[in-house]
Amino acid sequence: DVKVTQSSRYLVKRTGEKVFLECVQDMDHENMFWYRQDPGLGLRLIYFSYDVKMKEKGDIPEGYSVSREKKERFSLILESASTNQTSMYLCASSLPPGREQYFGPGTRLTVT
Amino acid sequence: KNQVEQSPQSLIILEGKNCTLQCNYTVSPFSNLRWYKQDTGRGPVSLTIMTFSENTKSNGRYTATLDADTKQSSLHITASQLSDSASYICVVSETSYGYKLSFGAGTTVTVRA
Repeated sequence: DVKVTQSSRYLVKRTGEKVFLECVQDMDHENMFWYRQDPGLGLRLIYFSYDVKMKEKGDIPEGYSVSREKKERFSLILESASTNQTSMYLCASSLPPGREQYFGPGTRLTVT
Repeated sequence: KNQVEQSPQSLIILEGKNCTLQCNYTVSPFSNLRWYKQDTGRGPVSLTIMTFSENTKSNGRYTATLDADTKQSSLHITASQLSDSASYICVVSETSYGYKLSFGAGTTVTVRA
């Protein structure tokens, strides 16, 4: 079974803090993704990576950056957390092309 | 503008009853359509995936249909169980590469005993 794990299930941070969300997958997938999920909205893509050290912006990259130094690990960084970044963050991985995306359990981030 | 619209937003059904969820999309070009189930506090899990040429796909008590001409899909849950209580998300892939997905906002299903 594909397993995607995320470093924290719940996280509370203060405005202005630097926040790291980590995601690890164990199936040697090339593609990895970071989404945020807010009530009443569909999942929105923040960034995705199609290979080590490669990344592309998604639909809402502002205020976020990512890092992929190893194939199995994809990190989302909030350089200076703001209250409007309070959300559920979901990581996913997949094989290309057009294959199913497997999701992690999510991290519920609250910025106060 | 969201290119995937789901209805209803939420519904409540009694255990053992059937229900049908709707998904309309405007995504083009269309590659495939997926239905995911998301339990509260969990990540989405795939139920079905259909390509352009398929018009029905089943996974146990879940049956998805697709009409690519009218750009509509439905997910039918048969003989609902308490464990079916979840959010069901319709996802449309714009390209065969799969990384570009459009997500519906989901339908929240509550099954009551």
